[in-house]
Amino acid sequence: ETGVTQTPRHLVMGMTNKKSLKCEQHLGHNAMYWYKQSAKKPLELMFVYSLEERVENNSVPSRFSPECPNSSHLFLHLHTLQPEDSALYLCASSRSHVDIRNPYTTYEQYFGPGTRLTVT
Amino acid sequence: GQQVMQIPQYQHVQEGEDFTTYCNSSTTLSNIQWYKQRPGGHPVFLIQLVKSGEVKKQKRLTFQFGEAKKNSSLHITATQTTDVGTYFCADLETSGSRLTFGEGTQLTVNP
Repeated sequence: ETGVTQTPRHLVMGMTNKKSLKCEQHLGHNAMYWYKQSAKKPLELMFVYSLEERVENNSVPSRFSPECPNSSHLFLHLHTLQPEDSALYLCASSRSHVDIRNPYTTYEQYFGPGTRLTVT
Repeated sequence: GQQVMQIPQYQHVQEGEDFTTYCNSSTTLSNIQWYKQRPGGHPVFLIQLVKSGEVKKQKRLTFQFGEAKKNSSLHITATQTTDVGTYFCADLETSGSRLTFGEGTQLTVNP
């Protein structure tokens, strides 16, 4: 296991529903990410949080609303989604600050298992 | 923004054959990371390349970073059925946070 958990693993929701995806990391990282993975598309970065501050919002529609209450938890609140939002939503975590003592420090991202979302 | 292109999109090989996937960019890449995603799974980090011309090996896997830092490759020698999955390259920006992924190469291995 990677130390990053996501719940639920599967979610079916109607277009008028409100639901939330949860991510938790047990690795002591200070950056967390939401990605969307659709069939035949590269992983799309949605949001980045570093030290609990949102540092990137990659032109994501407002029907997706992230929340990062602390460095270990990340949520993605969903409301009035569209069928084209059906995808695998992946959470990831990593260290975020460049280590000036060692510019070759690896900043790999650890991914959770994902939530398979279907919007009907 | 930065675009990372990966070829081929799909590769089917017989077990024991070699496999290579290529990652290219029109602009200089910062650091390249490679990930593997098994069918039904999530991406798992394989390696990071930082220096121009760098070559790293992990058992049957050889990773290269081009001299101009505009391309990278992953080569698998004598594929096994356990190598099945999608291999992604990703450019890691210098701040250490943002990854831009390529489209991935989906590898199938026939036993």
